[in-house]
Amino acid sequence: NAGVTQTPKFQVLKTGQSMTLQCAQDMNHEYMSWYRQDPGMGLRLIHYSVGAGITDQGEVPNGYNVSRSTTEDFPLRLLSAAPSQTSVYFCASSWGGWAGGLNTEAFFGQGTRLTVV
Amino acid sequence: DQQVKQNSPSLSVQEGRISILNCDYTNSMFDYFLWYKKYPAEGPTFLISISSIKDKNEDGRFTVFLNKSAKHLSLHIVPSQPGDSAVYFCAASGEAGGTSYGKLTFGQGTILTVHP
Repeated sequence: NAGVTQTPKFQVLKTGQSMTLQCAQDMNHEYMSWYRQDPGMGLRLIHYSVGAGITDQGEVPNGYNVSRSTTEDFPLRLLSAAPSQTSVYFCASSWGGWAGGLNTEAFFGQGTRLTVV
Repeated sequence: DQQVKQNSPSLSVQEGRISILNCDYTNSMFDYFLWYKKYPAEGPTFLISISSIKDKNEDGRFTVFLNKSAKHLSLHIVPSQPGDSAVYFCAASGEAGGTSYGKLTFGQGTILTVHP
């Protein structure tokens, strides 16, 4: 049981290049999401998905694209990289349910450190 | 507009003492609150959570208190250990099944250092 796996761990891009950050989970979680972490700002939600075929925007979606064709995978695409997208990116998944009135926590991947030059 | 705020960027405590980390929120629709711990070069890991129907939740050395009227929560670590040194994030989300479920809003984080 690997949990949430992100690849790559590090990436350097040139301005204008595109790339896809991969995220896979093996816990059969319905909910998956992408966050970016910047100094002094905590983690901010980019996009999220409540199930295969369903995605929605978070707080900072501009410049990013997502799709969810399977329960396991939730890739994040940078369409045309900009220096402002230099950040650490985290993918997370959580079980979509209502267990006795309590919510359930999100499990995070190890992160992808992206530098755009 | 920062809906979840951790106003103390850092906290330093002595081993064995209590650590108290604070968090304030502004959105009254938040229904569920979580604390995450993060070590450098790793993803956040879940620590403890609390539903808005409770005012306290304990798990070993960790206790989370929620004051809904003040829109304030705190994490108490007793006794603190050097291995607790990390960045602590509080996060909030809406009710399961609602449109905000699964969307976590994080505070800026507090760096906790526990000295031996």
